[in-house]
Amino acid sequence: KAGVTQTPRYLIKTRGQQVTLSCSPISGHRSVSWYQQTPGQGLQFLFEYFSETQRNKGNFPGRFSGRQFSNSRSEMNVSTLELGDSALYLCASSYSGSYNEQFFGPGTRLTVL
Amino acid sequence: AQRVTQPEKLLSVFKGAPVELKCNYSYSGSPELFWYVQYSRQRLQLLLRHISRESIKGFTADLNKGETSFHLKKPFAQEEDSAMYYCALSGRGATNKLIFGTGTLLAVQP
Repeated sequence: KAGVTQTPRYLIKTRGQQVTLSCSPISGHRSVSWYQQTPGQGLQFLFEYFSETQRNKGNFPGRFSGRQFSNSRSEMNVSTLELGDSALYLCASSYSGSYNEQFFGPGTRLTVL
Repeated sequence: AQRVTQPEKLLSVFKGAPVELKCNYSYSGSPELFWYVQYSRQRLQLLLRHISRESIKGFTADLNKGETSFHLKKPFAQEEDSAMYYCALSGRGATNKLIFGTGTLLAVQP
């Protein structure tokens, strides 16, 4: 079956703009998590959605938000972009519940100029 | 505080040598521990998790609650094992949130 897909794969924005990233989970997966990966901070958890509800949230400012649709597809939005938001944003999907294997997408590379 | 520590950024070994990638964690409670791997130009993928107690691609990891460690071991390294390895933990309850270590790059020399 098809893996997790993320669009777009690459994005260049300027400071102050906003951006929306999309993630399509594996069919049947209801949990979608988002991570930010940077050379300095590594992989950091942003938030998790399950059945259209945010189930957990990491320590990121309110500029970072997300949502999940009824078909389990998820989007994350970053408003008022800062240079430090440049990163690889990874999405992962899994079945419901905890301890399930998470399947990661290829990521969206965001560059903020 | 919830934390995963991988002290080595780079581990270089020769083919056939034993490998041990270190992972220590801090968590108030009983977490679930995982090792994820990212091969060159591939996605991050699960290698193994402690609850399964299985060996994948010759790798094993034992959870030591006393030392709060979850080191990854393989008796004989292969060149195809070269990759970035991440240790991660997840708390109990209805969540898939993963806390990752900073990763260790394993380079297996021929």
